[in-house]
Amino acid sequence: QVQLQESGPGLVKPSQTLSLTCTVSGGSISSGSYYWSWIRQPAGKGLEWIGRIYTSGSTNYNPSLKSRVTISVDTSKNQFSLKLSSVTAADTAVYYCAREDSYSSGWYYYWGQGTLVTVSS
Amino acid sequence: AIWMTQSPSLLSASTGDRVTISCRMSQGISSYLAWYQQKPGKAPELLIYAASTLQSGVPSRFSGSGSGTDFTLTISCLQSEDFATYYCQQYYSFPWTFGQGTKVEIK
Repeated sequence: QVQLQESGPGLVKPSQTLSLTCTVSGGSISSGSYYWSWIRQPAGKGLEWIGRIYTSGSTNYNPSLKSRVTISVDTSKNQFSLKLSSVTAADTAVYYCAREDSYSSGWYYYWGQGTLVTVSS
Repeated sequence: AIWMTQSPSLLSASTGDRVTISCRMSQGISSYLAWYQQKPGKAPELLIYAASTLQSGVPSRFSGSGSGTDFTLTISCLQSEDFATYYCQQYYSFPWTFGQGTKVEIK
C-alpha cells in the first residue's frame, strides 16, 4: 500500500521560498508509470492543483503559479519536492502531495495527510 | 483554464435523503471528471473517476453521471458518514481544476 507523507517548515516568512518534501513509502517512486503531484487548500476554501512530475523529471505546472514553482524528484530518496518562491500570505494553505492513480490518469487515489504552511513574518 | 461551477455550495439534508450535486464546465471535457469526498482535517478521498466509474471500495449509494459540460454526483440514501464536503475535478486539460465544493450538512 503506497503511503505519502509531507514534511517541511510550517512557517515561512513573506518573500521567502516555501520548501516541502513528500516521502513515498510502500513502493519505489520510480517503479510503475506515475505522476506525482502537489495540491493545496487554503483554510475553508477549495483545492488548487499546483503541478506534477513524472519520474523522468517531466513536469506540468499550473500557469497561475508557474513562474514561482519548481517540482523535483529524488528517486534515490524516494521523495519528490515542491519549491514555491516569493511567497505571500495568499500562499498560506494545507499542502498535499498525491499520486495519480495510473499513468497520466488525472485522478488521485493516493494522498498525503497534508501539511499546513503559514506565511507570516 | 477550464472553469467549473459546482452547485449548490451548501446542501442541508437528512439521513436517508437522495441528494444530487452538480458540476458544470466552461467547456466540454468528455468524461474526464472525478469526484472526491473530504472530511474536516482529512485529505480528499476518491469516489468516482471517468465521470461514472465507482472507485473500488466506495459504497454503491454513490453514483456519477454526465459527459461534456454537465455532471452530477448522486447519493441515493444519505448515511451519517456521508456528511462532508464534495469536490469535482476535471483532468481534461491543464491545469487540472477543482470545483468550489459542496458541503452536505445535517438538516
